[in-house]
Amino acid sequence: GNSVTQMEGPVTLSEEAFLTINCTYTATGYPSLFWYVQYPGEGLQLLLKATKADDKGSNKGFEATYRKETTSFHLEKGSVQVSDSAVYFCALSSWAKIIFGSGTRLSIRP
Amino acid sequence: EPEVTQTPSHQVTQMGQEVILRCVPISNHLYFYWYRQILGQKVEFLVSFYNNEISEKSEIFDDQFSVERPDGSNFTLKIRSTKLEDSAMYFCASSAENQPQHFGDGTRLSIL
Repeated sequence: GNSVTQMEGPVTLSEEAFLTINCTYTATGYPSLFWYVQYPGEGLQLLLKATKADDKGSNKGFEATYRKETTSFHLEKGSVQVSDSAVYFCALSSWAKIIFGSGTRLSIRP
Repeated sequence: EPEVTQTPSHQVTQMGQEVILRCVPISNHLYFYWYRQILGQKVEFLVSFYNNEISEKSEIFDDQFSVERPDGSNFTLKIRSTKLEDSAMYFCASSAENQPQHFGDGTRLSIL
């Protein structure tokens, strides 16, 4: 069945460091891919999305490119801030539902 | 920006009792969903709902669960006889046709 695998956390970085959170997927067909973010005490917010191969989703300095050949959708940011501390979920659409990865907790040190 | 709102934010219930979690989806959305997240685990799909009927459900969504859209604005999840393992954060989501799902802030359900 369809599934999402993302790197385990926690990930701890210093402010202004480069961020990569790896995500790979298994799916039949051509799902849309997403990154959701969950800030402490809050719900899930859509961070960015890509709907077809080679699409790049971007928002708030974060980027991810839909790579069909490697079945990947890695999240990157060039310079992280303390306010980026949150749990990040990679996800794909599968018919009427979203399938989530296990989440990666990111902590940014000032 | 329109939001999905969920009430209550925290619900504490005795094991065996019925509980109803409430959601107000975004007003022009037609597709509605429930997910749950057991503490420290991944977010899991429970059920999707469209045109007043369930369109898909997971194996978690057994006979103890039901969903309803009792009026034009609310979307509810009922658990008939709660078990300890039902303790989780429950997220409601809604979407327009072929658009991403928007999530509420969740209801934390604690079963004692």
